[in-house]
Amino acid sequence: GAVVSQHPSRVICKSGTSVKIECRSLDFQATTMFWYRQFPKKSLMLMATSNEGSKATYEQGVEKDKFLINHASLTLSTLTVTSAHPEDSSFYICSAGTGTGGGEQYFGPGTRLTVT
Amino acid sequence: QKEVEQDPGPLSVPEGAIVSLNCTYSNSAFQYFMWYRQYSRKGPELLMYTYSSGNKEDGRFTAQVDKSSKYISLFIRDSQPSDSATYLCAMSVGSSASKIIFGSGTRLSIRP
Repeated sequence: GAVVSQHPSRVICKSGTSVKIECRSLDFQATTMFWYRQFPKKSLMLMATSNEGSKATYEQGVEKDKFLINHASLTLSTLTVTSAHPEDSSFYICSAGTGTGGGEQYFGPGTRLTVT
Repeated sequence: QKEVEQDPGPLSVPEGAIVSLNCTYSNSAFQYFMWYRQYSRKGPELLMYTYSSGNKEDGRFTAQVDKSSKYISLFIRDSQPSDSATYLCAMSVGSSASKIIFGSGTRLSIRP
């Protein structure tokens, strides 16, 4: 199957700082990538849809100025958590579709963010 | 009512048993149906993918979609302890550029 990577896998930062998470499609190009957030023992919550070369589409209730998304190329999307606070601590996961099949998407391994 | 309903479990079965996982949905526009497996602290892994109604088999896994009943299933034969994970059903209306709607996930434990 298609491979999606994320970096870093784990990050600890201080309250008030910003953190950037990278999502890469390794063996395919993805015009659309998705960013999710997952709390312990809960399902995935879609945060935003990242479109290559255009602005991201955010889900209701997600602050676009806090969670900055950039999709600068067909293989890379980044999520920057700005002015992070402890309540932003969570598991962030990205996904992408190959575009050659149907509705299936492939997920990255996730990034665990801890804000102290 | 949620768009996709899935029993959260937990479900515990002995090794070698047949496992049946199910989801129901309300949006008749869904055309693509997926099952993901997620181990703790890992990203979801695509297990099965089906377009429209029908069955699909891959090794010990069989996915079934009944669009008339808005019901999908995943069967695991000869279950192994390594199958212990959370299983998420997911569906979308269009291509891989479309949003996926997830079920809440079923926690499965296979007892040795």
